Amino acid sequence: GENVEQHPSTLSVQEGDSAVIKCTYSDSASNYFPWYKQELGKRPQLIIDIRSNVGEKKDQRIAVTLNKTAKHFSLHITETQPEDSAVYFCAAPQGAQKLVFGQGTRLTINP
Amino acid sequence: GAGVSQSPSNKVTEKGKDVELRCDPISGHTALYWYRQSLGQGLEFLIYFQGNSAPDKSGLPSDRFSAERTGGSVSTLTIQRTQQEDSAVYLCASSYQVGETQYFGPGTRLLVL
Repeated sequence: GENVEQHPSTLSVQEGDSAVIKCTYSDSASNYFPWYKQELGKRPQLIIDIRSNVGEKKDQRIAVTLNKTAKHFSLHITETQPEDSAVYFCAAPQGAQKLVFGQGTRLTINP
Repeated sequence: GAGVSQSPSNKVTEKGKDVELRCDPISGHTALYWYRQSLGQGLEFLIYFQGNSAPDKSGLPSDRFSAERTGGSVSTLTIQRTQQEDSAVYLCASSYQVGETQYFGPGTRLLVL
């Protein structure tokens, strides 16, 4: 089955700097890679996703890049703000059915 | 439109009691997923439904856990003879079809004393 590894587990950056979170996956057939943001005490919410027919996708300060050859994808947040502080989860599909989630990255933005 | 809803939002129970957790998916979503999240941890897959059938029950921790979905809509997760290690947030998610974007409910916070 699919195995998703996410790094780092914690990340602390200064406000205004960029943050990068990386995930690797094992199933070369996977074709959909979402990223979720979970604020303390709240539900995970989809912030961006990418499909395997593109290498990069941007939405304002957030971007996701995908390298299918190396089987890894990354979340990039630029010009970080305090409200970006949260836990971020990547995911990849297993058998086009359920999603397998990474272990999560706790991002802290220091003012 | 309305998102995924779950009830109750919080549940405190005594060890050994049974509990039922409910999930109302987004209208029209055929796939429904249950996850468990322990404090400060990741998302542990429990079970998913495609319509009323459950093709993958592999994540259920023990035979004390069961789930059903009727009418292709509401789902109930039942935990029998609860144990303290069952304490966690139980999250439900739904998607239009299997393999597509999942939208999460607010979760049920379960505490077993």
